[in-house]
Amino acid sequence: DIQMTQSPSSVSASVGDRVTITCRASQGINIWLAWFQQKPGKAPNLLIYAASSLQSGVPSRFSGSGSGTDFTLTISSLQPEDFATYYCQQANSFPLTFGGGTKVESK
Amino acid sequence: EVQVVETGGGLIQPGGSLRLSCAASGFIVSSNCMNWVRQAPGKGLEWVSLIYSGGSTYYADSVKGRFTISRDDSKNTLYLRMNSLRAADTAVYYCARGAERHSYYYMDVWGKGTTVTVSS
Repeated sequence: DIQMTQSPSSVSASVGDRVTITCRASQGINIWLAWFQQKPGKAPNLLIYAASSLQSGVPSRFSGSGSGTDFTLTISSLQPEDFATYYCQQANSFPLTFGGGTKVESK
Repeated sequence: EVQVVETGGGLIQPGGSLRLSCAASGFIVSSNCMNWVRQAPGKGLEWVSLIYSGGSTYYADSVKGRFTISRDDSKNTLYLRMNSLRAADTAVYYCARGAERHSYYYMDVWGKGTTVTVSS
């Protein structure tokens, strides 16, 4: 199975900050990676697919990069509605696996 | 509007069985890849199962042999049959559509989830 490791597990930030979250795969997954945002009590929401493609309707302050084993999600200017938990997920092979999550909290 | 709605969760004793349903609207279940994903209380996301439009199915090792994914084309509904339930299966279960992008599938439409609690 491919293990997905996210870091940090939590980050404290202020509105307007640039926030970067990393995700590392235990083996190469090309670009077959997604990023999700989840708010408490809500379902996850797809932000990025294929490592860097922005899902329709997602604000352009979200961006993704990487290939192979190392990936990043960047929020260029954090907004109040962005405080949430973020998950990466590899779509390369079964079983599909998620990272452990990164909680973005208010500083 | 494209959406999915999960039902069927509840309190069940260890060893029991339950069937979850995921009713879709705005798209055809049988023409899409569909997933079940779960989230234990206070924990992260865990993929459970997938069915392709062609009917091929895949499962997480933790549920293989106990859970069965299926669909009813006439009802445009996805199911998850869960047998031999354990306390570790306690979670919110989400249904999610897998949208094809560059020949891979990404979960782009999610329901609100249904809660399964396995306890005596």
